[in-house]
Amino acid sequence: KAGVTQTPRYLIKTRGQQVTLSCSPISGHRSVSWYQQTPGQGLQFLFEYFSETQRNKGNFPGRFSGRQFSNSRSEMNVSTLELGDSALYLCASSLQWRDYEQYFGPGTRLTVT
Amino acid sequence: SQQGEEDPQALSIQEGENATMNCSYKTSINNLQWYRQNSGRGLVHLILIRSNEREKHSGRLRVTLDTSKKSSSLLITASRAADTASYFCATALNDYKLSFGAGTTVTVRA
Repeated sequence: KAGVTQTPRYLIKTRGQQVTLSCSPISGHRSVSWYQQTPGQGLQFLFEYFSETQRNKGNFPGRFSGRQFSNSRSEMNVSTLELGDSALYLCASSLQWRDYEQYFGPGTRLTVT
Repeated sequence: SQQGEEDPQALSIQEGENATMNCSYKTSINNLQWYRQNSGRGLVHLILIRSNEREKHSGRLRVTLDTSKKSSSLLITASRAADTASYFCATALNDYKLSFGAGTTVTVRA
């Protein structure tokens, strides 16, 4: 069974731009969570989607948003990029909502210049 | 804010030796998980221990949980070069969000 895939793997953007990252969960998994990883703040939870609805949200500004499609694929969007948004963005999928065991993708490395 | 804190921050051991790292957390949890991350890539789930369990094994991994001390330890026995990675503990509260520690970087020398 294929693992979680994330595209693109690497991205360079300029301050003020917006970016969309994509995540395809493991086949059959219906919940997708997003995390941001930076050297300073470590791994932080962004949000979780299940059945096309955001079920949980971390402490991030409204510039960070996401959505989930009927096939469970998810996208996250960051608008008005700031230098501090440079990070590894990780997507994780799980079978159901409120499922503790999560399977992570390889991540998208976003650099904001 | 991070719920878990790993100790030590970094660990360097010889191949074949055991590696032990600890995780302390602040509030009551439903379970605690350990993940491995190789060189800035995705996280690999290693083991989950529930709050009513004290010890769990998986291959060369042994995890203990002491809820009275709010701490957990991960032991990797007979380490190999492939064990070189960062190891994170993650705690799950009632809201099911995972909260990760800062991680322990393990280097296994040949």
